[in-house]
Amino acid sequence: DGGITQSPKYLFRKEGQNVTLSCEQNLNHDAMYWYRQDPGQGLRLIYYSQIVNDFQKGDIAEGYSVSREKKESFPLTVTSAQKNPTAFYLCASSIQESTEAFFGQGTRLTVV
Amino acid sequence: AQSVSQHNHHVILSEAASLELGCNYSYGGTVNLFWYVQYPGQHLQLLLKYFSGDPLVKGIKGFEAEFIKSKFSFNLRKPSVQWSDTAEYFCAVIPFSGGYNKLIFGAGTRLAVHP
Repeated sequence: DGGITQSPKYLFRKEGQNVTLSCEQNLNHDAMYWYRQDPGQGLRLIYYSQIVNDFQKGDIAEGYSVSREKKESFPLTVTSAQKNPTAFYLCASSIQESTEAFFGQGTRLTVV
Repeated sequence: AQSVSQHNHHVILSEAASLELGCNYSYGGTVNLFWYVQYPGQHLQLLLKYFSGDPLVKGIKGFEAEFIKSKFSFNLRKPSVQWSDTAEYFCAVIPFSGGYNKLIFGAGTRLAVHP
C-alpha cells in the first residue's frame, strides 16, 4: 500500500534525552513536512524539505533537527533544547511543494 | 508574516443544519488553498482544494468552498450536515512568495453535530 508511515505511534521520553521520530513515504513525493499539533493551535510547521539533501526551517524549528538523505525518509529529532516537547507530531508529503499534502497517522510524544 | 485565521474554534449544530466555516489568509499574492478534515482518531484528509479557475470548488462528502480574492477568504460550506461530519476542520494556504513554498495551517474549527 502506498502511504506515509510514522513510527512509533506513542513515544515516551525522559527529560533531557533526544528522541527521533521516523517518517517514511513510498509515494515518490519530493516534498516532506513535519508539523506539531497542539489543541487550539492547529498545525505549526517545524521543518520542510522540497528535495533530497535540502530542508528549511518552519515557524517553530528551535529545539528540533531533521535530515533528508533519502527521498523517502525525513526523520525528526526532538532535542533536549526543545522546552515543551510533549505534543502530537504529524509528518506529511506532497508530489511537489505547491500541491496538496498527504499525512501520516502521527506520533504522540510524551516527556516524563 | 503569512497567516491563516479561522474565525470559529468550536461550532455546534444539529443534523440538517447548514454549515459555514470561515477562513481568511494574510497574503496578497497568488495562493493555493485547501480544507482538510480530521475525524476522531483518524489522520488528516483533504476535503477540497483550489489552485485556479472557478472560485467555487466542490469537494468530497457534499462540501464546497468559495474563494473570494478581494476578501482573502476561502470559506467552507455544506447545506445540510450529518452526525458523521463531527470532526476538526483545518484551512490551509500555500502562498507563492518567490522562495520556498510552505503549507500554512489555521488553528482549526472543531465541529460537533448533534442528532
